[in-house]
Amino acid sequence: QQQVKQSPQSLIVQKGGISIINCAYENTAFDYFPWYQQFPGKGPALLIAIRPDVSEKKEGRFTISFNKSAKQFSLHIMDSQPGDSATYFCAASKNRDQTGANNLFFGTGTRLTVIP
Amino acid sequence: DGGITQSPKYLFRKEGQNVTLSCEQNLNHDAMYWYRQDPGQGLRLIYYSQIVNDFQKGDIAEGYSVSREKKESFPLTVTSAQKNPTAFYLCASSLQPTDTQYFGPGTRLTVL
Repeated sequence: QQQVKQSPQSLIVQKGGISIINCAYENTAFDYFPWYQQFPGKGPALLIAIRPDVSEKKEGRFTISFNKSAKQFSLHIMDSQPGDSATYFCAASKNRDQTGANNLFFGTGTRLTVIP
Repeated sequence: DGGITQSPKYLFRKEGQNVTLSCEQNLNHDAMYWYRQDPGQGLRLIYYSQIVNDFQKGDIAEGYSVSREKKESFPLTVTSAQKNPTAFYLCASSLQPTDTQYFGPGTRLTVL
């Protein structure tokens, strides 16, 4: 059972365009939503993260939009560049479960290709 | 140079053999994690450890074992009981169990 559903599976965008990746979750106990960027053969790197007390967070060209009532969040990459071509994973976690661990539940990933 | 290191980068093993993947961090992080990554399935948690000498099963622990004898080290053993071990294995750590997780470069295991 996939705790976090991510779409699309793949995305092709022209250089300078906006890339949008969407995620949805069911567990209302989730309160931390990070996005990771992964290049081929490398480990994922934290890109940006948000907590549900805000509806948007922006860092440079990357923005997370969060809709708590819809249980959805999305990543927007403005002015997309060929160097942004990578796989992007959304994730969600509860701040503390019974064991006190921050177990992350990942989406299935979106492979982004930015065409020059 | 701080970070998380995993070795080896590529690993091949024959069916029926146990193999141990190394994960070391010099970030002074308390918590460490092992994930498995398969195409189209995202990352799935195998085991995690919140503190030295303690570890807990994740979602897909069957066929795997771990130890946490030192704070900086969290080796993962893939046993012969793991039915489909070919995958990309990722180690992560966080300062505290509730903090952001940072990933190592991964080990690609191929069973021949």
